[in-house]
Amino acid sequence: GAGVSQSPSNKVTEKGKDVELRCDPISGHTALYWYRQRLGQGLEFLIYFQGNSAPDKSGLPSDRFSAERTGESVSTLTIQRTQQEDSAVYLCASSLSRADEKLFFGSGTQLSVL
Amino acid sequence: AQSVTQLDSQVPVFEEAPVELRCNYSSSVSVYLFWYVQYPNQGLQLLLKYLSGSTLVKGINGFEAEFNKSQTSFHLRKPSVHISDTAEYFCAVSDRDDKIIFGKGTRLHILP
Repeated sequence: GAGVSQSPSNKVTEKGKDVELRCDPISGHTALYWYRQRLGQGLEFLIYFQGNSAPDKSGLPSDRFSAERTGESVSTLTIQRTQQEDSAVYLCASSLSRADEKLFFGSGTQLSVL
Repeated sequence: AQSVTQLDSQVPVFEEAPVELRCNYSSSVSVYLFWYVQYPNQGLQLLLKYLSGSTLVKGINGFEAEFNKSQTSFHLRKPSVHISDTAEYFCAVSDRDDKIIFGKGTRLHILP
């Protein structure tokens, strides 16, 4: 596709359930980023990938959060045993290779934990 | 580790007046600096970036920003705002390890 694609666009789940959020970056982009945006808040860094590897996982809020990336393509962010405080928009972005490159953002996944 | 502070959560400005959105950063090494904009119901897009060289950077829609190393600032300015500039503006920093950290954002309200 032409841009960064995220699915689902909306996800409503019950507290305690696991959820998977998917990100398809722009083809050829080796760098991929996940951010969380709570209502009225800024972007909170979660994790980024260079290719398959994740040099920095320090932003993941707890061990309930994990992410993986297959090849230099799709990434999945998994949240286990969801809590109400996990409710937020989860944004994915990709860039050609490095931090000096422009980030292209997806439209996000709105996660609501009831 | 790098961090970004946007002191103003909201800035109201009259149409055609100048505006400055403030951004300060902290980092132990040299940095890349960015401003991104999020218009209502749209995704984030790059407004401008500073990588090296001239400290005055010009971006889209008439915005510019000045890198000030001694004050660790990267304030965004526009000499005359329009109603279409209503948006949320995010400052971001990278200390060149490919990790990009965003500030909490500043909502720009244009008053008629």
